Amino acid sequence: KAGVTQTPRYLIKTRGQQVTLSCSPISGHRSVSWYQQTPGQGLQFLFEYFSETQRNKGNFPGRFSGRQFSNSRSEMNVSTLELGDSALYLCASSPLGRNGYTFGSGTRLTVV
Amino acid sequence: SQQGEEDPQALSIQEGENATMNCSYKTSINNLQWYRQNSGRGLVHLILIRSNEREKHSGRLRVTLDTSKKSSSLLITASRAADTASYFCATDSSNRDDKIIFGKGTRLHILP
Repeated sequence: KAGVTQTPRYLIKTRGQQVTLSCSPISGHRSVSWYQQTPGQGLQFLFEYFSETQRNKGNFPGRFSGRQFSNSRSEMNVSTLELGDSALYLCASSPLGRNGYTFGSGTRLTVV
Repeated sequence: SQQGEEDPQALSIQEGENATMNCSYKTSINNLQWYRQNSGRGLVHLILIRSNEREKHSGRLRVTLDTSKKSSSLLITASRAADTASYFCATDSSNRDDKIIFGKGTRLHILP
């Protein structure tokens, strides 16, 4: 079966712009979580969605937002990009959340 | 925070040797998971150990859990070049409101 698909794989944006990243989970998985990975901070939890509802949220500013659609696909949006937002953004899906995540390959965002 | 912390941060060993990585955490957990990440890619789920288990095996992987010391270890036996990667532990707190927290990882390098 298909894995978790994240698009795009690479993205270069300018400070002040906004960006939308997409994640298609494994079929049947209802939980989608997003993580930001940087060399200095490691994997930082952004948010988790389950059946179109945000179930948990990390300590990120309001510029970071997300949503989940009825088909479980999820998007995250970052507005007013800052240089520090440059990171690998990882999406993970699981049937019910919390255990046995399957990760996508990530979107590498570079803000210049 | 129940963040797991891996130790050591980096490890280099000769091919064929065993590699041991440790993870410490702070609060009571339901389970602990180990993941592997190849450079710049998504994480791959390796193994999950529940709080009432002390040891678990999967192929060349052996995981132990000591809840009294709030620590876990991952042993990779007979290491191979393909084991070169970063390894992360992720803790699932007993508090359902808490998020799954990943440590910063151990970078393992297998020398030929």
